[in-house]
Amino acid sequence: KAGVTQTPRYLIKTRGQQVTLSCSPISGHRSVSWYQQTPGQGLQFLFEYFSETQRNKGNFPGRFSGRQFSNSRSEMNVSTLELGDSALYLCASGLGGGQETQYFGPGTRLLVL
Amino acid sequence: GENVEQHPSTLSVQEGDSAVIKCTYSDSASNYFPWYKQELGKRPQLIIDIRSNVGEKKDQRIAVTLNKTAKHFSLHITETQPEDSAVYFCAAKSSGDKLTFGTGTRLAVRP
Repeated sequence: KAGVTQTPRYLIKTRGQQVTLSCSPISGHRSVSWYQQTPGQGLQFLFEYFSETQRNKGNFPGRFSGRQFSNSRSEMNVSTLELGDSALYLCASGLGGGQETQYFGPGTRLLVL
Repeated sequence: GENVEQHPSTLSVQEGDSAVIKCTYSDSASNYFPWYKQELGKRPQLIIDIRSNVGEKKDQRIAVTLNKTAKHFSLHITETQPEDSAVYFCAAKSSGDKLTFGTGTRLAVRP
């Protein structure tokens, strides 16, 4: 099976802009989680979707939002970008439904100037 | 919510020696404990996981132990090799909840 894919792999934006990142899970996986990774803060949980419903949410401002489509693909959106949003954004997919194992995608590296 | 602490933050060992990374968790409901390895510029990769109904699990040179009473779990790497050099993350999760990660351990294996 193909692994988790994320697009785009790299992005450069300026403050105040918005950005949309995409994640395609492993075929058959219904759960998608998003994480922000920075050198100082490690892996911070953003949100988790299962069968198009947000199941868990981390402690990020409302500028961070996400959704999941019927084919399990997920997008996250960050509006009004700030310099501190520069990070590696990782998604991870899993079967869900009590099967806890998650597999990560390669990430999208976002640079906000 | 769950809180996972990981130690040490950096670890340097001689090739062939063993490496041990320890994590503690706070939520007694946590029942799933994975370990991920992240090489520089790459995605975190699952290397081993353990569930709360098991005390120890091994996979070749890697083993994980779990002490539910003390809320500790540890990663043991034996006969370390230079390619084991990476950042290792522990994590904990209860059913239906999010996966909470430790802050990572940077392991360097000296040839």
